[in-house]
Amino acid sequence: EAQVTQNPRYLITVTGKKLTVTCSQNMNHEYMSWYRQDPGLGLRQIYYSMNVEVTDKGDVPEGYKVSRKEKRNFPLILESPSPNQTSLYFCASSFQTGQETQYFGPGTRLLVL
Amino acid sequence: DQQVKQNSPSLSVQEGRISILNCDYTNSMFDYFLWYKKYPAEGPTFLISISSIKDKNEDGRFTVFLNKSAKHLSLHIVPSQPGDSAVYFCAASFLNTGKLIFGQGTTLQVKP
Repeated sequence: EAQVTQNPRYLITVTGKKLTVTCSQNMNHEYMSWYRQDPGLGLRQIYYSMNVEVTDKGDVPEGYKVSRKEKRNFPLILESPSPNQTSLYFCASSFQTGQETQYFGPGTRLLVL
Repeated sequence: DQQVKQNSPSLSVQEGRISILNCDYTNSMFDYFLWYKKYPAEGPTFLISISSIKDKNEDGRFTVFLNKSAKHLSLHIVPSQPGDSAVYFCAASFLNTGKLIFGQGTTLQVKP
């Protein structure tokens, strides 16, 4: 089954404790992206990658890091989480540029205390 | 600076009637627009898209209209069904950049 998976689905952590949210897709897609969803703000793009070893900032990259060492994986790293990073995070992938249909993962709900 | 805006947080319509969801944008360089639908506890799913060189795209019950001079697009759902109740996001992108900018979303409720 073609899908985007994220782990963990739910996470409670404390300020300053480094964490990684994993994202994996099995569709051989070139493009992957991370978004956060917050009430009243919709979805905001954090980082995206159009190919292996190629990553670019979205609208809200501050406080986040990503890497794309292999095509199927695109982990999101919070080196020192803060309460304002409490949010619902989605990973997505698409065939090439992101303008085609993007397939989203089920989301990761993060609470930073 | 919100480049893509959905000014109506919510919309309620009767089953069988038309639903019209609106989206405004500020950057005339956007060249592709998309609509996504999101149910609670799930990721968004793609609904329909339109290139800036067109003014209309239709897919079954869903039609997207683009008015470039007004920097406005709308999604029409006819007829509306209770299963259409969800949050709808419009999004805009620049050609081949990978950057995608979403609106705030509109929650549609279709009443039986």
